[in-house]
Amino acid sequence: QQQVRQSPQSLTVWEGETAILNCSYEDSTFDYFPWYRLFPGESPALLIAIRPVSNKKEDGRFTIFFNKREKKLSLHITDSQPGDSATYFCAASGNTGNYKYVFGAGTRLKVIA
Amino acid sequence: EAAVTQSPRNKVAVTGGKVTLSCNQTNNHNNMYWYRQDTGHGLRLIHYSYGAGSTEKGDIPDGYKASRPSQENFSLILELATPSQTSVYFCASGDQTGGNSDYTFGSGTRLLVI
Repeated sequence: QQQVRQSPQSLTVWEGETAILNCSYEDSTFDYFPWYRLFPGESPALLIAIRPVSNKKEDGRFTIFFNKREKKLSLHITDSQPGDSATYFCAASGNTGNYKYVFGAGTRLKVIA
Repeated sequence: EAAVTQSPRNKVAVTGGKVTLSCNQTNNHNNMYWYRQDTGHGLRLIHYSYGAGSTEKGDIPDGYKASRPSQENFSLILELATPSQTSVYFCASGDQTGGNSDYTFGSGTRLLVI
């Protein structure tokens, strides 16, 4: 049972291009969507997050686009850099008060110089 | 600096042996979580806790136990380790401020069961 799905599983882009990472979910009670980034050998770290009251959240080169009707969101990384190479996880949590995240399987991004 | 510390960093265990993974947090967070990370599966929740003395089953609890003896410490116990439990295990703590709980993760424990 995969409540949060990510695509593609892996993505390779050239330096300077925009990387687009996709995420979809099933549970309409989800109301918070953080993205975590994991570099090899390190800890997952919060990158950016959005709530359904907004359809866009921007932080520097990172932008989340959110479509509540279709239960889809995407992370856009503009002007991709080799240092952005990592695994990106989309997550979701609901308003049930248990504060558990459901994570997607992740997208492994490689940025080639 | 607030942090989540896991030990050991790497562990090799034999099939059928007992393994204990430890996690300590200095964030003063009520919630703590144990996830395993496997390629193609992402981060899957094993057990979690709302505070000292509490443990709850996550999505894949079979073969694992958890213990939360204090606010700071949360352990994951594999009573009879199996090769299928070879994975990277992440502990996290969470803050409920603002109605959601952003996690702080530890650096992970790489477990190999042979």
